[in-house]
Amino acid sequence: AQSVTQLGSHVSVSEGALVLLRCNYSSSVPPYLFWYVQYPNQGLQLLLKYTSAATLVKGINGFEAEFKKSETSFHLTKPSAHMRDAAEYFCAVSDPSNDYKLSFGAGTTVTVRA
Amino acid sequence: DADVTQTPRNRITKTGKRIMLECSQTKGHDRMYWYRQDPGLGLRLIYYSFDVKDINKGEISDGYSVSRQAQAKFSLSLESAIPNQTALYFCATSDRGLAGTDTQYFGPGTRLTVL
Repeated sequence: AQSVTQLGSHVSVSEGALVLLRCNYSSSVPPYLFWYVQYPNQGLQLLLKYTSAATLVKGINGFEAEFKKSETSFHLTKPSAHMRDAAEYFCAVSDPSNDYKLSFGAGTTVTVRA
Repeated sequence: DADVTQTPRNRITKTGKRIMLECSQTKGHDRMYWYRQDPGLGLRLIYYSFDVKDINKGEISDGYSVSRQAQAKFSLSLESAIPNQTALYFCATSDRGLAGTDTQYFGPGTRLTVL
């Protein structure tokens, strides 16, 4: 079965600083990987996804993630944080051995300091 | 109007009561899902349905049941609510596509408290 580990349940950054959220996965087959964002009092929405095309994936709102097979990682970055990036971020992996259902990480809450 | 709606948005109930959470979607998607979110645990899948006649258990289905009344409607029931079912519940939908790559679209959530 696939699984996802997000390192760090809380990340605090200054406005304008780099945002780096870490995600490592376990998979016996090439995975499909996702990052979702949850703004306060809202449902989740897709930021970006890796589906075995380019290893550097660009998403919405200036976020990108790089798939590194050798490190089993899919870390999310944004060069310059905005106040509106304050949210909870979830990494997820699609499991081909289980109807391609998503397995979510525990989430990382990002706060942005003015 | 939102593509995926959930009712109610908030619900407080007592132990032992039967309650139903409803989800409707206007996206025309075949696939629908119910998740619960607990702090520090991420989202966990309760049930999913790939079409009206296909319903499957997720990883935490005990104590829950579902009904897919139509392509657009997927309801979650707690037959006899217990306090550890207090959580934020999300409905999601996705379209058929290349297996495993489909994007899921989430409703705004229902916050359920069981006293």
